Amino acid sequence: EAQVTQNPRYLITVTGKKLTVTCSQNMNHEYMSWYRQDPGLGLRQIYYSMNVEVTDKGDVPEGYKVSRKEKRNFPLILESPSPNQTSLYFCASSPRQLTNYGYTFGSGTRLTVV
Amino acid sequence: QKEVEQNSGPLSVPEGAIASLNCTYSDRVSQSFFWYRQYSGKSPELIMSIYSNGDKEDGRFTAQLNKASQYVSLLIRDSQPSDSATYLCASPPGGDSWGKFQFGAGTQVVVTP
Repeated sequence: EAQVTQNPRYLITVTGKKLTVTCSQNMNHEYMSWYRQDPGLGLRQIYYSMNVEVTDKGDVPEGYKVSRKEKRNFPLILESPSPNQTSLYFCASSPRQLTNYGYTFGSGTRLTVV
Repeated sequence: QKEVEQNSGPLSVPEGAIASLNCTYSDRVSQSFFWYRQYSGKSPELIMSIYSNGDKEDGRFTAQLNKASQYVSLLIRDSQPSDSATYLCASPPGGDSWGKFQFGAGTQVVVTP
């Protein structure tokens, strides 16, 4: 089944404890992206990647890191999480022609930082 | 300024009626537009895409694009309670911002029996 898989689905952590949210897609998509969603603020792009080793900042990159060492994987790293990073996170992927296909989303990761 | 703007709603629609959602965008170079549906706590799901001026129909959904006026709309005919969700308008900007894909804040639709 074609899908974008995120793990974990739910995560509660403490301030300052490094964490990684994994994202994997099995559709051989070139584009991958991370979004966070907060009430009243909608979906905001954190980082995106066009292909292996090619990444760029979205609208809210502060406090996050990403890497794209393999085409299928695009992990999101929070080096020192803070409570304001409590949010619902989505990973998404798209074929090369982003403007024709749009993004397919993973199921989401609900992160709580205490 | 957000590049993609939507009314947040909620938009209350009687069952069986037509729901009309609007979205405006600021980037004149944008070439394609997408409508996503998102149920509470779930991930966005693509329901329509449109690239050319005019109407595009898919089942009970019709997307309308007017590039001169920079708006795109979504009509949901014969609305059902299962259509109650938040609808997100999205577009990748033109030019060399190849990876950016911005969403509007979403319009909440509530279909009342």
